[in-house]
Amino acid sequence: SYVLTQPPSVSVAPGQTARITCGGNNIGSKSVHWYQQKPGQAPVLVVHDDSDRPSGIPERFSGSNSGNTATLTISRVEAGDEADYYCQVWDSSSDHYVFGTGTKVTVL
Amino acid sequence: EVQLVESGGGLVKPGGSLRLSCAASGFTFSSYSMNWVRQAPGKGLEWVSSISSSSSYIYDADSVKGRFTISRDNAKNSLYLQMNSLRAEDTAVYYCAKGIHAFDIWGQGTMVTVSS
Repeated sequence: SYVLTQPPSVSVAPGQTARITCGGNNIGSKSVHWYQQKPGQAPVLVVHDDSDRPSGIPERFSGSNSGNTATLTISRVEAGDEADYYCQVWDSSSDHYVFGTGTKVTVL
Repeated sequence: EVQLVESGGGLVKPGGSLRLSCAASGFTFSSYSMNWVRQAPGKGLEWVSSISSSSSYIYDADSVKGRFTISRDNAKNSLYLQMNSLRAEDTAVYYCAKGIHAFDIWGQGTMVTVSS
């Protein structure tokens, strides 16, 4: 089965840039979506199809995808960005959706 | 306002059954694929099951195949998850989510606890 690997945690100072990676075999050939989940809340879609932002999501959130790694970048990090982040793809070989292992972003 | 509201969660004994519901509003429910995603306490997100807009296509995670059944009633703007032969490892918050590939709207979740 297809596996998506994320770092368990990323720490960043306010105003700096956080980069969250999502590794998978030839993930560059798939469309990657990213979700933000704050404690006790449902996930929120922050980037879809590698690099597109839903309406209402700040431009500080951006994404890229190439080779075996997709990346969610949060620029000018704010305290409110502290949350868990998950990547997700559709694996057409198994007809399964797959979520990444999740990354906890801590704002120092 | 686009909204998804889950219901039907609760405490059930191992081997028991439960039926979750998800009421949709604020969008044309019959035009969209729908999904169930769960999250065990303190763990990550796990996709459970998906159904296309007209119920023509259904996909299930291996962990629930043969035990869980997803369905929908477009006339009632509702999504369902029939869960049979429940196990302790099925304990989780169950979310319904709208969309194909990217899940753009999520409900608030309903808790299912499987314990004797």
